[in-house]
Amino acid sequence: AQSVTQLGSHVSVSEGALVLLRCNYSSSVPPYLFWYVQYPNQGLQLLLKYTSAATLVKGINGFEAEFKKSETSFHLTKPSAHMSDAAEYFCAVSDRRDTGRRALTFGSGTRLQVQP
Amino acid sequence: ETGVTQTPRHLVMGMTNKKSLKCEQHLGHNAMYWYKQSAKKPLELMFVYNFKEQTENNSVPSRFSPECPNSSHLFLHLHTLQPEDSALYLCASSQAGTGGGNTIYFGEGSWLTVV
Repeated sequence: AQSVTQLGSHVSVSEGALVLLRCNYSSSVPPYLFWYVQYPNQGLQLLLKYTSAATLVKGINGFEAEFKKSETSFHLTKPSAHMSDAAEYFCAVSDRRDTGRRALTFGSGTRLQVQP
Repeated sequence: ETGVTQTPRHLVMGMTNKKSLKCEQHLGHNAMYWYKQSAKKPLELMFVYNFKEQTENNSVPSRFSPECPNSSHLFLHLHTLQPEDSALYLCASSQAGTGGGNTIYFGEGSWLTVV
């Protein structure tokens, strides 16, 4: 079964600093990969997704992620953190070989704190 | 109006009560999902419906009973719940097509507290 591992349940950065949230997947075949964000008391919102076109994927709010097959990684980055980026971020995967299954499998999440 | 609407947003129920969570999607999708989000645990997929047919049930206890009368509406009927069932229940939808990679859109969730 597909799975993703998010390293670091909590990440704290200063406002203006680089944001790096890590996600590694386990699969011999590159899956579809997603990053979602959850603000307090809200549902999940899609930031970006990788479906095999460009390996560098740009998303909303200045975030981007790079698919690296050799490292089985899909890390999320943002050059300069803003206070409004404080939220929980989830990496998710779906198996491109299993076209009958639509659901995503989520990582355990990383809570991003932005210090002023 | 948001794409996926959940009601109620907050629910407190006793262990002997029967209640239901409702979800409606306005995106024209044909697949709907229930996820459970507990503190300190990953999001857990509970049920999947494709074209109103249940295609996945991830060993969910029978005290949770889903219902999908059409591709726009999804219910989660709750009865004789336990305190450990207290969580945020998230409804989601997507357009099921070939090849996967379809974005799943979430509602804002229903906070359930079992007392």
